[in-house]
Amino acid sequence: EPEVTQTPSHQVTQMGQEVILRCVPISNHLYFYWYRQILGQKVEFLVSFYNNEISEKSEIFDDQFSVERPDGSNFTLKIRSTKLEDSAMYFCASSEQGAKNQPQHFGDGTRLSIL
Amino acid sequence: AQSVAQPEDQVNVAEGNPLTVKCTYSVSGNPYLFWYVQYPNRGLQFLLKYITGDNLVKGSYGFEAEFNKSQTSFHLKKPSALVSDSALYFCAVRDGRNSGNTPLVFGKGTRLSVIA
Repeated sequence: EPEVTQTPSHQVTQMGQEVILRCVPISNHLYFYWYRQILGQKVEFLVSFYNNEISEKSEIFDDQFSVERPDGSNFTLKIRSTKLEDSAMYFCASSEQGAKNQPQHFGDGTRLSIL
Repeated sequence: AQSVAQPEDQVNVAEGNPLTVKCTYSVSGNPYLFWYVQYPNRGLQFLLKYITGDNLVKGSYGFEAEFNKSQTSFHLKKPSALVSDSALYFCAVRDGRNSGNTPLVFGKGTRLSVIA
């Protein structure tokens, strides 16, 4: 069964450094998402992306965050200047269609640790 | 704004017994409801969804969920629990807006422990 893949599985970065988290969505999917999960807390929506532009973003997704689909397969999340509070699990998800009844399929996540 | 409540942080059940993981929701318009399971060091795995139709929805691994509109609930159930069902379970909702890729709003999760 096709999967969403994320790399790296664990990223350790110094505060203030830039970090790029990578995702390869399922190949025929058109809608892409990033979520994060701070340790012990709920999964929170960051951003959705369709047709090479952001569809919706949460208040968490401030100017330090950006997303990009640089080629036909990758979908990246960049944090420009990381803060301690950015430490979390970051999940990429994709769906075949954007219809509300379609489930989103999640990757295994990247654990981001900011020192 | 939409929200999901999972009132139990932890549910313990003996293997072979029925299990219920509770979820209530608040959303404008028609709700689109989902259950996901998270095993250690893994992502969220889709279990089942309710869109419309029968209030009892069947999903993966023998799980089912019952939609109750009057109680705004969508409880996850399984008739006979397995030790391998032990995991973190998340209820999620999408609201009734017309845009196609509205985000999922998750509950805080319920940890299910099935004891042999």
